[in-house]
Amino acid sequence: QQQVKQSPQSLIVQKGGISIINCAYENTAFDYFPWYQQFPGKGPALLIAIRPDVSEKKEGRFTISFNKSAKQFSLHIMDSQPGDSATYFCAAGLHNFNKFYFGSGTKLNVKP
Amino acid sequence: DAGVIQSPRHEVTEMGQEVTLRCKPISGHDYLFWYRQTMMRGLELLIYFNNNVPIDDSGMPEDRFSAKMPNASFSTLKIQPSEPRDSAVYFCASSSTGNSYEQYFGPGTRLTVT
Repeated sequence: QQQVKQSPQSLIVQKGGISIINCAYENTAFDYFPWYQQFPGKGPALLIAIRPDVSEKKEGRFTISFNKSAKQFSLHIMDSQPGDSATYFCAAGLHNFNKFYFGSGTKLNVKP
Repeated sequence: DAGVIQSPRHEVTEMGQEVTLRCKPISGHDYLFWYRQTMMRGLELLIYFNNNVPIDDSGMPEDRFSAKMPNASFSTLKIQPSEPRDSAVYFCASSSTGNSYEQYFGPGTRLTVT
């Protein structure tokens, strides 16, 4: 059973536009939802994360929206830049157990 | 800090050969994770250690895979014998108690089994 489902698989956005990536999870006990950014040839790097006690977290141009009742969360990249072109992974898990389930990834291409 | 260090960065081997991947976690981190990334299956957790002790190895695909952590600064992932379907990028990550949800990934080892 896939614990975390991510969409879309790929995304093309014009510079300055908004990129939106969506994820849904199965286990209602999950209490930590990070997003990772991966550039080609590099390992994933933590971008931003949210706990289920808040509905939104913003860091610069990156915002996580969280809907606990729907078991969904999303990443919004405002004013998308070509340098944001990367693969983005959502994840979910129980932070006390250190085991996270990753989504399948979204390859974002921001056109200049 | 140098970050998580993995070696080799690339490995090409023939089917049936033994492959050993190496990882040095960030100094002071007490959790170490091994992941495998493929186009088909995405990023999968294989095994993780806490204080050098394996905690969860349920993601290890089969007995051909084994992982060890003899000390706090070194871990290996071994595949014996290797098969073409093991071709993937293998990542090592580490984290620390108290901030254990933030995992720092290494650059990965791209393994190709012919």
